[in-house]
This record gives sequence, C-alpha cells and structure tokens, in this order.
Amino acid sequence: QQPVQSPQAVILREGEDAVINCSSSKALYSVHWYRQKHGEAPVFLMILLKGGEQKGHDKISASFNEKKQQSSLYLTASQLSYSGTYFCGRCRDTGAGSYQLTFGKGTKLSVIP
Amino acid sequence: DVKVTQSSRYLVKRTGEKVFLECVQDMDHENMFWYRQDPGLGLRLIYFSYDVKMKEKGDIPEGYSVSREKKERFSLILESASTNQTSMYLCASSPWGLGGETQYFGPGTRLLVL
Repeated sequence: QQPVQSPQAVILREGEDAVINCSSSKALYSVHWYRQKHGEAPVFLMILLKGGEQKGHDKISASFNEKKQQSSLYLTASQLSYSGTYFCGRCRDTGAGSYQLTFGKGTKLSVIP
Repeated sequence: DVKVTQSSRYLVKRTGEKVFLECVQDMDHENMFWYRQDPGLGLRLIYFSYDVKMKEKGDIPEGYSVSREKKERFSLILESASTNQTSMYLCASSPWGLGGETQYFGPGTRLLVL
C-alpha cells in the first residue's frame, strides 16, 4: 500500500516556505525522499533512519515521527530550482538481506518568480 | 559518479510483441529495481533483484518478468505487450543494505504499445 502524500500539488512564490507530508498505514522503519524534475530521473534528497530523526540539506530538511507513521519535508525560502515532483518512499526489509521502497504518488511543487 | 543507463529512451511496440528493456549500472551494486511511472500514480515497483539470478516481485509484477544473469545488468521483459503497459519505465540500483542506501535512477524508457 502506497504512503499518502499531501498536498498533491502546491504553487509557491520564490522565498516562500512549504511542507510536504507523507503518512503510512503501515509501520515506517525508514523513509526516503526523492525529487524528480520534469523530464529527468528521480534524484535522492535524504534518508531518515530513526524515529524522531531530523535531517537538513541546504534549506530542505525533513523529520520522521515513527509513532505517528509520518514524515514531513520542509522547504524554506524556496528557489526556482526547487520545482519538481517530490516522492517519499516507505522502506521495507524483504528478509533476503535487501529492501524495497514503496513510493507515494508524489507532490508537484511549482515555484514561480 | 554512479551511472545507470537504459537501452532506449523511447520505444514503440505493437500489442503481443515481446519487449526487452535493458538496464546497466557501473557501480557494482547488489540491488537493482524496475519501476513504472504513470501520471498520478507515482513510482510503482515491478520487480527487484538483490543478487545475480535472484529476483523478487514488487507491487505490480503481473505481465512482467525479469532476468539478471550478470551483476551489472537487469532486464525487464514484457512477454506479450499490451496497451495498458504503455508507461515510463525506470531502472534503479543501490548498494546492499537494509534500507539506508540511496537508489540511483536511470533516465527512463518511455514505452508506447500500439
């Protein structure tokens, strides 16, 4: 079952902030975040491995609430380069020494001047 | 830099044809994945492989099979293509691990089945 992302789409002006939420009906052991720009492959942003963990990358950060089975991605002072579709991925251990990701449907972020 | 390449960017096939999509990675990664991407549905996992000749079904394996004869190469096979398999197909690879590893994606193959 895919994690649920909200909002589905958001339009920002440069400099504004945004939050993208990812919630799962199944336990979240770790969460991946990726961004895909139009016509390009998805690119890794960050992984959160432990409940309560928060990470930052430039002005993009994320938190992970294991109890609530939620993760949030925070984009502050947005830039035009932030435009794209953001995906969260719920990680599952396959039991074979590997893992698989189940991605949400994505949040389309558009930053305008 | 990690490089994941896919054999074709665009492919047009007819219903009933057998279709092979090839993916090659150059970083000696153990894990390889095939996803399909459709508007509004996000990325959905078809199959993945954690070692040569090893494979596991993802969330939507019906109508697909895979082959991994060499570590660097992972093939997706559509035995008899159908129009509902028209989609963007993305390959990814990652090092061995239990979830803390980045997946590196290829550029994708846009498949049209007529």
